[in-house]
Amino acid sequence: DQQVKQNSPSLSVQEGRISILNCDYTNSMFDYFLWYKKYPAEGPTFLISISSIKDKNEDGRFTVFLNKSAKHLSLHIVPSQPGDSAVYFCAASASSSASKIIFGSGTRLSIRP
Amino acid sequence: KAGVTQTPRYLIKTRGQQVTLSCSPISGHRSVSWYQQTPGQGLQFLFEYFSETQRNKGNFPGRFSGRQFSNSRSEMNVSTLELGDSALYLCASSFNPTGSKNEQYFGPGTRLTVT
Repeated sequence: DQQVKQNSPSLSVQEGRISILNCDYTNSMFDYFLWYKKYPAEGPTFLISISSIKDKNEDGRFTVFLNKSAKHLSLHIVPSQPGDSAVYFCAASASSSASKIIFGSGTRLSIRP
Repeated sequence: KAGVTQTPRYLIKTRGQQVTLSCSPISGHRSVSWYQQTPGQGLQFLFEYFSETQRNKGNFPGRFSGRQFSNSRSEMNVSTLELGDSALYLCASSFNPTGSKNEQYFGPGTRLTVT
């Protein structure tokens, strides 16, 4: 049972445009959400997070939006740059077991010139 | 500050054997989590250790076990290896003193191939 789902395995975006990566979750106990970025042969690196008490969190070119009623979150990257080409993982945890982080299957983002 | 280190980076084993993977967290980090990454499955949570105790566990069979030492270093063991255990095993550490929402820092992983 996949509690965190990333339904798009891949996404191709032109450099300079907006990249939107989507994530859905099923567990209503999740109250903290994270995005990680992974390059080949490296471990994932933390990108941005959001608590369920917020619906938006922004950090430079990266913004995460949370829609609790729809159990949906998205990561916006504006403007997209070549170095953004990587696999992006959405992840979630619940306060009752905050250190147990459940990851989605990832979306491979390719930024084309 | 040195990052999370994992050894070995690559490993080839035969079905039925056992394997031990090692993870050294970032200095000062007391929580260590282990994940299995396979194509199309993303990162699947194996278990998390904090102060030498397993605090959380994922849905993996008992062949997968782990432990944490007093210096926070952690080992993961897989016994009776199966072909399906071939994967990238990632370790992540965080400060996480009270289960608070600290982000995790990942190591480069150990690529295990079972033949």
